[in-house]
Amino acid sequence: GESVGLHLPTLSVQEGDNSIINCAYSNSASDYFIWYKQESGKGPQFIIDIRSNMDKRQGQRVTVLLNKTVKHLSLQIAATQPGDSAVYFCAESSTSDYKLSFGAGTTVTVRA
Amino acid sequence: KAGVTQTPRYLIKTRGQQVTLSCSPISGHRSVSWYQQTPGQGLQFLFEYFSETQRNKGNFPGRFSGRQFSNSRSEMNVSTLELGDSALYLCASSPSGRVETQYFGPGTRLLVL
Repeated sequence: GESVGLHLPTLSVQEGDNSIINCAYSNSASDYFIWYKQESGKGPQFIIDIRSNMDKRQGQRVTVLLNKTVKHLSLQIAATQPGDSAVYFCAESSTSDYKLSFGAGTTVTVRA
Repeated sequence: KAGVTQTPRYLIKTRGQQVTLSCSPISGHRSVSWYQQTPGQGLQFLFEYFSETQRNKGNFPGRFSGRQFSNSRSEMNVSTLELGDSALYLCASSPSGRVETQYFGPGTRLLVL
């Protein structure tokens, strides 16, 4: 089968390196996916989204990859900065729904 | 434009008490959703209101309830508090309820003793 990255609850990365955060989603009917960043004392903040008719989408320093075959999402952060230290969540939804289902978060710590 | 505001930001209650949390959405947004965030269960959907009507509800006991007012402000109530209700309660608003346009508030941190 196809190899995908494992979800890790924590990730430590050197400043300037690239980060990859993985997420497995559960609902085959989900057609919309979002990555959120949550800093201490704040609510989740939108980073990037992707619809099920795409397998890759790029933003500023971030890329989201979607593998529907194995129900897997990943978030790649290029040139990780100290300000990227936070908890990252993936979330799934469907266009017929008004709610998000969140995955377990990954705490990213950037080492100087 | 002001963001989503939640009051109070922090709250301490004892078991058996009840609590009411408030959320003021972004101006013009008619949908308000509530989520509970705990270390063990993560972020879980509670309910969503649009134009004063509950459209969707998560898998929570009846002790958790909510309402929305004509100005789109929303409140959620938890009755007969349990220790396990200690959590960060997040509110998100959007113009129509579509998750693509949801913005989260900073949350209310509830501690039940």
